[in-house]
Amino acid sequence: QVQLQEPGPGLVKPSETLSLTCTVSGDSISRSSHYWGWIRQPPGKGLEWIGSVYFSGSTYYNPSLKSRVTISVDTSDNHFSLSLTSVTAADTAVYFCARHLGNYGPIDVWGKGTTITVSS
Amino acid sequence: QSVLTQPPSVFGAPGQRVTISCAGSGSNIGAGYDVHWYQQLPGTAPKLLISGNSNRPSGVPDRFSGSKSGTSASLAITGLQSEDEADYYCQSYDSSLHSSVFGGGTKLTVL
Repeated sequence: QVQLQEPGPGLVKPSETLSLTCTVSGDSISRSSHYWGWIRQPPGKGLEWIGSVYFSGSTYYNPSLKSRVTISVDTSDNHFSLSLTSVTAADTAVYFCARHLGNYGPIDVWGKGTTITVSS
Repeated sequence: QSVLTQPPSVFGAPGQRVTISCAGSGSNIGAGYDVHWYQQLPGTAPKLLISGNSNRPSGVPDRFSGSKSGTSASLAITGLQSEDEADYYCQSYDSSLHSSVFGGGTKLTVL
């Protein structure tokens, strides 16, 4: 059974960098058919795709966040990471890591999500 | 403003049939990219309900079905049950944005 876990710091100060790591168990991050991504959901709002990474390191980002986002992959440790710089209150959300089948494919496995609040 | 447009809410009585629409454009659904649907129960992560426009993953009841036509897609739920009360999201890919996109979500209330 594939599981994704994305523990987070809970609270991040404005202007700082949010860093999250998603640990994958039950699957190899190097499996060629899968992409690994991040999605967020602000309180009371809908889902927003942040970006995805392939095991080769190729990345795909939401253009509205591209200037502040970096997603990287560590195949030796079977995890992938999100870095979001210069955060503001608008970045307060539940952040989910996920697995999707192909770049345009469905998200078939989700992490439970971690709540990130941006506040001083 | 979401790239994919869904009604904010739909209502139905137990046993009834409801549909949720997902309107896109020529750079996403109309360009031939697949539509996927997710169900999100309160306080939980979304769950894949329909993949590739109309395919049900293992374990999803056949009361749920998806379709796609032109620049739009729909999710239909028959035989409504109280446990279907949730938020539903459509997702596709947009070639203009070079990005995956979600609809704004639809809250289903079972009366």
